[in-house]
Amino acid sequence: ETGVTQTPRHLVMGMTNKKSLKCEQHLGHNAMYWYKQSAKKPLELMFVYNFKEQTENNSVPSRFSPECPNSSHLFLHLHTLQPEDSALYLCASSQLTHYGYTFGSGTRLTVV
Amino acid sequence: GDSVTQMEGPVTLSEEAFLTINCTYTATGYPSLFWYVQYPGEGLQLLLKATKADDKGSNKGFEATYRKETTSFHLEKGSVQVSDSAVYFCALSTLASNTGKLIFGQGTTLQVKP
Repeated sequence: ETGVTQTPRHLVMGMTNKKSLKCEQHLGHNAMYWYKQSAKKPLELMFVYNFKEQTENNSVPSRFSPECPNSSHLFLHLHTLQPEDSALYLCASSQLTHYGYTFGSGTRLTVV
Repeated sequence: GDSVTQMEGPVTLSEEAFLTINCTYTATGYPSLFWYVQYPGEGLQLLLKATKADDKGSNKGFEATYRKETTSFHLEKGSVQVSDSAVYFCALSTLASNTGKLIFGQGTTLQVKP
């Protein structure tokens, strides 16, 4: 247990489905992040939230919609995904300092 | 822009061999440097970090020294075990963005054989 909990661990969804990924931290961190990790590709930063405000969106397609209702919870809403969106989605949190991130275990998403 | 470059993998070693994974960086300002490890099926875990020049981070037998003159933060371990097989990521964080945002290298896969 790292202090950052992601659910579900595995998700299989059809291209017309709507689903959500959840991330929760009770470390008192102020910032939360979504990363996408695909096979044989570098980690891709998707979204950054600081104090519940989105401060970065790295040209992510609108079929991915983040939500941060409070500084402890982060969601990634998914709809009409494509097979190439299949990947490991990682959530992380941090303080606004140089202390690094704490990562969750990730959600393995498969789009069929 | 800021960036991190790691040596290409996979790195394959026999148990008890010496490990070096090279990492160099480009950054404006004074970055903090990190090594993360990802075991199969898991997220990334912080392995060690260094926040200023000449600092040495260490954990679980792994070490890395922040070398400002060569802009490097190479990961070393004197005697690897099969359980060290994982993907290792070098990363940096700068004050420039003030968000604590980490920039990662592409990862280096380590395979340790018995």
